[in-house]
Amino acid sequence: DADVTQTPRNRITKTGKRIMLECSQTKGHDRMYWYRQDPGLGLRLIYYSFDVKDINKGEISDGYSVSRQAQAKFSLSLESAIPNQTALYFCATSEPRPGTGELFFGEGSRLTVL
Amino acid sequence: AQKVTQAQTEISVVEKEDVTLDCVYETRDTTYYLFWYKQPPSGELVFLIRRNSFDEQNEISGRYSWNFQKSTSSFNFTITASQVVDSAVYFCALRVDSNYQLIWGAGTKLIIKP
Repeated sequence: DADVTQTPRNRITKTGKRIMLECSQTKGHDRMYWYRQDPGLGLRLIYYSFDVKDINKGEISDGYSVSRQAQAKFSLSLESAIPNQTALYFCATSEPRPGTGELFFGEGSRLTVL
Repeated sequence: AQKVTQAQTEISVVEKEDVTLDCVYETRDTTYYLFWYKQPPSGELVFLIRRNSFDEQNEISGRYSWNFQKSTSSFNFTITASQVVDSAVYFCALRVDSNYQLIWGAGTKLIIKP
């Protein structure tokens, strides 16, 4: 089984719908991240969490919210999806300081908003 | 501010050719880490290498090699005798000690033709 698991892997939805992407990990890492990938733009950070009580906005948090339900679970929500949120979303984890910052990724969730 | 530039948007070569993917980074921090990740057509992100700023030794892993040069702020990636399975998008990323976030390049799409 994968160390970082994302569900769903693929989702097609309509504008205005609420969507939740879920992430769970078995690596025991405190730090978790949500990234968005668009063609030609690389990965952009949406939100990150350094522990259950610590949640921080990334560079593109508008239109998104997150919930850290437990050390192992970090969910990303789109309250009212819009077409330009169509993208590939990745959850990731990393070791705490003084770790090297290597990210361990889930397999990605492809979201299409019609 | 930190920045990673992958100037090559797309590279196409014929199988068995050698190919180099360029990565140029910017940071004023003296302690930092550089990464390369591979994203095959299936979409997952695969970690390839991590290099810290105090270790300028080049690294070779099979057909893959990395050339880290602090003088030019570059961390280039070479694939020798390329194979069709090397076709993927390759990302270079930077983490500095003062900011735990990974800064990503936009990626280089590598196409290996049979």
